[in-house]
Amino acid sequence: AQSVTQPDIHITVSEGASLELRCNYSYGATPYLFWYVQSPGQGLQLLLKYFSGDTLVQGIKGFEAEFKRSQSSFNLRKPSVHWSDAAEYFCAAIRRFGAGTRLTVKP
Amino acid sequence: KAGVTQTPRYLIKTRGQQVTLSCSPISGHRSVSWYQQTPGQGLQFLFEYFSETQRNKGNFPGRFSGRQFSNSRSEMNVSTLELGDSALYLCASSSQGLAGVDEQYFGPGTRLTVT
Repeated sequence: AQSVTQPDIHITVSEGASLELRCNYSYGATPYLFWYVQSPGQGLQLLLKYFSGDTLVQGIKGFEAEFKRSQSSFNLRKPSVHWSDAAEYFCAAIRRFGAGTRLTVKP
Repeated sequence: KAGVTQTPRYLIKTRGQQVTLSCSPISGHRSVSWYQQTPGQGLQFLFEYFSETQRNKGNFPGRFSGRQFSNSRSEMNVSTLELGDSALYLCASSSQGLAGVDEQYFGPGTRLTVT
């Protein structure tokens, strides 16, 4: 069955530390992949997307994601986390969303 | 450009009632999709409309319905409300026909509480 899995429900990192949020997908073919961020009480904002081509995609707010076909993964990364990055992050493929990863940033 | 707007932002209804939620997409966007977000089930796709036609539908009962007008504004309706319908309902618009292919722009959502 088609699915998107985010293995980590909650992650805590210190401000200034690096971040990696995991996402795995299960689809027959490579789907279109997205990462969104949701702040409390807000809708979702697109961080980046992957359709084809270069497997390392750059997004807004200093985020990037790497598509790895062999691992069916599309992990989100940021070299240095800011306190304002605290939010919930969703990986999506087509219309299917992962369960989300809540990011807490320690001062 | 103005973003996606949803009205009302908050709503409290009683079990058995019906409710209509409204969504105005970004100007020029012709595709509108609806999602239900709950703590237990996460984000689930309800349906997508493009040029007044429903193009895709998620796995929800017939109590959930929608429509799109000629100006691309969309409404969704839930009849015979159940407690489990309490959720944040998100609307998203995109410029092309397939919500999953083109990037979506989300509204702030309507928080529905069913008592």
